[in-house]
Amino acid sequence: EIVLTQSPGTLSLSPGERATLSCRASQSVSSSYFAWYQQKPGQAPRLLIYGASSRATGIPDRFSGSGSGTDFTLTISRLEPEDFAVYYCQQYGSSPRTFGQGTKVEIK
Amino acid sequence: QVQLVQSGSELKKPGASVKVSCKASGYIFTSSAINWVRQAPGQGLEWMGWINTNTGNPTYAQGFTGRFVFSLDTSVSTAYLEISSLKAEDTAVYYCARRTASDSWGQGTLVTVSS
Repeated sequence: EIVLTQSPGTLSLSPGERATLSCRASQSVSSSYFAWYQQKPGQAPRLLIYGASSRATGIPDRFSGSGSGTDFTLTISRLEPEDFAVYYCQQYGSSPRTFGQGTKVEIK
Repeated sequence: QVQLVQSGSELKKPGASVKVSCKASGYIFTSSAINWVRQAPGQGLEWMGWINTNTGNPTYAQGFTGRFVFSLDTSVSTAYLEISSLKAEDTAVYYCARRTASDSWGQGTLVTVSS
């Protein structure tokens, strides 16, 4: 099983700042089968990034994904008030399709 | 538009069973897999497995074998999750989600197991 470790656990930032979230895999992720999701309280997760760097439909271009192998990054270029949420990474290249434990982006 | 609508919250006693439904609309149901994801209170997301909507073949993650069953009724574009012999630790929100990189999610079904 591929274990995904997200860092930091909590990121305290102000609107307008840049957010950089990291996800490290215990083994190489096959063919960049890697996704990022956003979840707000009381809501279902929302797909932001798939294939490590492709934005899902309707996702603003301030969200970008990068990385390959075992190290992946989600960058939010300028935080908007609606971006404060929990973010999860997921690998879907091998079974089981594991999630990271989440990074909470909170208002400083 | 693509939509997954899940059945409502359930309150069950330990040892009982529950069946959660996930009705799809806005796309061809058999063209995309359905995944199931659990989220315990205050916790992260846990992938339970998926079902091939073409063949009906389910795949379960470790920890979700035996008491958990994925099924389909393609005539009504609906996927089901059934959990038997419920335990308190099964209390969680259960989500269905379309595709491997899940671009559409149900609203979640809260299953509470309490005596």
